[in-house]
Amino acid sequence: DQQVKQNSPSLSVQEGRISILNCDYTNSMFDYFLWYKKYPAEGPTFLISISSIKDKNEDGRFTVFLNKSAKHLSLHIVPSQPGDSAVYFCAASGLGGTSYGKLTFGQGTILTVHP
Amino acid sequence: ETGVTQTPRHLVMGMTNKKSLKCEQHLGHNAMYWYKQSAKKPLELMFVYNFKEQTENNSVPSRFSPECPNSSHLFLHLHTLQPEDSALYLCASSVHRGQETQYFGPGTRLLVL
Repeated sequence: DQQVKQNSPSLSVQEGRISILNCDYTNSMFDYFLWYKKYPAEGPTFLISISSIKDKNEDGRFTVFLNKSAKHLSLHIVPSQPGDSAVYFCAASGLGGTSYGKLTFGQGTILTVHP
Repeated sequence: ETGVTQTPRHLVMGMTNKKSLKCEQHLGHNAMYWYKQSAKKPLELMFVYNFKEQTENNSVPSRFSPECPNSSHLFLHLHTLQPEDSALYLCASSVHRGQETQYFGPGTRLLVL
């Protein structure tokens, strides 16, 4: 049973446009969400996070939106740059219960930004 | 050296071999993690150490044996592995368990023949 799902295996976007990556989760105990970016031959790099008490968090070109009622979060990258081309992972954890201190990851979405 | 480092970066081993993966973090963190990423699967948590004590074993077979001698170092000892254990093994650290922002090393790509 996959508790964090990224249903789009890949996304292709033109440079300068917006990239929107989506993530759905099923575990209602999750209350902290993160996005990681991964280049080939490197480990995942932390990008941005959001706590369940917020519905939006911004950091430069990256914004994460959380819709708790829909159990859905998204990562917006504006404007997209060719250097953003990578695999993006959504992850979630809870501050209590069996999900405490454990990250559950989605399968990843491959983002390609074309010049 | 900064961040989280892992050695070796690539490893090929036979099913009867014994090898060890090493992870070192230079972030002053107290929690360390081993993850496994198989082809086309999400990252799977294997082990968690918090202040050198193992706090999580995610039903990992005993042919994988972790060791955490101090908060900066984490090892994964491998013996009598199976070809299906071939994967990318990632180490991560965080301030302590419960601080969910984890920082990852580059991983060890393991091939079991």
